[in-house]
Amino acid sequence: SAVISQKPSRDICQRGTSLTIQCQVDSQVTMMFWYRQQPGQSLTLIATANQGSEATYESGFVIDKFPISRPNLTFSTLTVSNMSPEDSSIYLCSAGVLSETQYFGPGTRLLVL
Amino acid sequence: QQQVKQSPQSLIVQKGGISIINCAYENTAFDYFPWYQQFPGKGPALLIAIRPDVSEKKEGRFTISFNKSAKQFSLHIMDSQPGDSATYFCAAIQTGANNLFFGTGTRLTVIP
Repeated sequence: SAVISQKPSRDICQRGTSLTIQCQVDSQVTMMFWYRQQPGQSLTLIATANQGSEATYESGFVIDKFPISRPNLTFSTLTVSNMSPEDSSIYLCSAGVLSETQYFGPGTRLLVL
Repeated sequence: QQQVKQSPQSLIVQKGGISIINCAYENTAFDYFPWYQQFPGKGPALLIAIRPDVSEKKEGRFTISFNKSAKQFSLHIMDSQPGDSATYFCAAIQTGANNLFFGTGTRLTVIP
């Protein structure tokens, strides 16, 4: 299994600003993903973070709003840009050698005022 | 459209009882079905998973039952304990694809 850490664990931000969330994995993994989870709700995949190339976004999510970087096999960032209160959510990073077996980080709890 | 349907939304079980959570899917291309356990303020943790070539998988007190013809699978927690109180998510994915589709979650409360 992989141990995944995220920073920050939580933040309160003003609308119109941007926040970058970091995800660090303790071992080299093939796959890294970013999810959004509304409190008390299910998880929705935002994008697959690809090493050295542009992320693959799911329907409803765009690069301008959620730019993602993955410079190496163990690190990725997700930026939530030009935030609005609707972006208030929990953002989760997951990783694994295979996409079927994903291990999740603790999440970043974001509140946009 | 919800790819994986999960029920019940919430479940209250007495300590020592059996907790049963059910999931159903439509996409026959799915071939890997994990269950995740999530405690408040934490990320989901992989609990147990099954492939459709077996009808049952057991790990300790946790058992997955799989009915391929009905496209249904369920999680059974035997001898439920207060420490099992958490939200449980079923999920499904097609091997090689990236999108792990999650159910809507079941909030389990085990009362002493």
